[in-house]
Amino acid sequence: EVQLVESGGGLVQPGGSLRLSCTASGFPFSSYEMNWVRQAPGKGLEWVSYISSTGYTIYYADSVKGRFTISRDNTKNSLYLQMNSLRAEDTAIYYCAREISMIDVWGQGTMVTVSS
Amino acid sequence: EIVLTQSPATLSLSPGERATLSCRASQSVSSFLAWYQQKPGQAPRLLIYDASNRATGIPARFSGSGSGTDFTLTISSLEPEDFAVYYCQQRSNWPMYTFGQGTKLEIK
Repeated sequence: EVQLVESGGGLVQPGGSLRLSCTASGFPFSSYEMNWVRQAPGKGLEWVSYISSTGYTIYYADSVKGRFTISRDNTKNSLYLQMNSLRAEDTAIYYCAREISMIDVWGQGTMVTVSS
Repeated sequence: EIVLTQSPATLSLSPGERATLSCRASQSVSSFLAWYQQKPGQAPRLLIYDASNRATGIPARFSGSGSGTDFTLTISSLEPEDFAVYYCQQRSNWPMYTFGQGTKLEIK
């Protein structure tokens, strides 16, 4: 079964840092491009970041550029999102999502709350 | 940035009825448009990709059409499990994906 499982979410103060992880199973992780997409409470979906299958090509949304870093470890079937200088507006469920021409599989998400 | 506008914001229908959801792009996205379904507390699920192709395991009552700037998701006969929020998403400006604001399909 194809599965993506996120972890690492929680409550953090403004200006703080958090590292999200996503563990993949049931498919050849190293062959797939990956994304992070977030959803603020009661709101729609916002693309956050993309990483190619090798990790050499990376893109960010303007809203997180310079603060977030996406990475992957294909030996561990894992995707990461290092989030620094967190703001209240970063509060959201963060989903990792597999891509093969389109985003076809999503994890269940991990909640990040930025609040003092 | 390509902006996607979905209409209506809320659609109230009964099981068995036909649902028609619209997505309009601020500029042409060719056929690079997908539709997702999201139920409360769940992740989105891919329904349609490249405007009109059903994803694996998606029932035939779901269909997509359109190209350029105007797209439609049609559910031919609503089942109780179809009541959810639906999002369109463009990948024309890959990988700077953008999503519509969503249409909530609710039971009348």
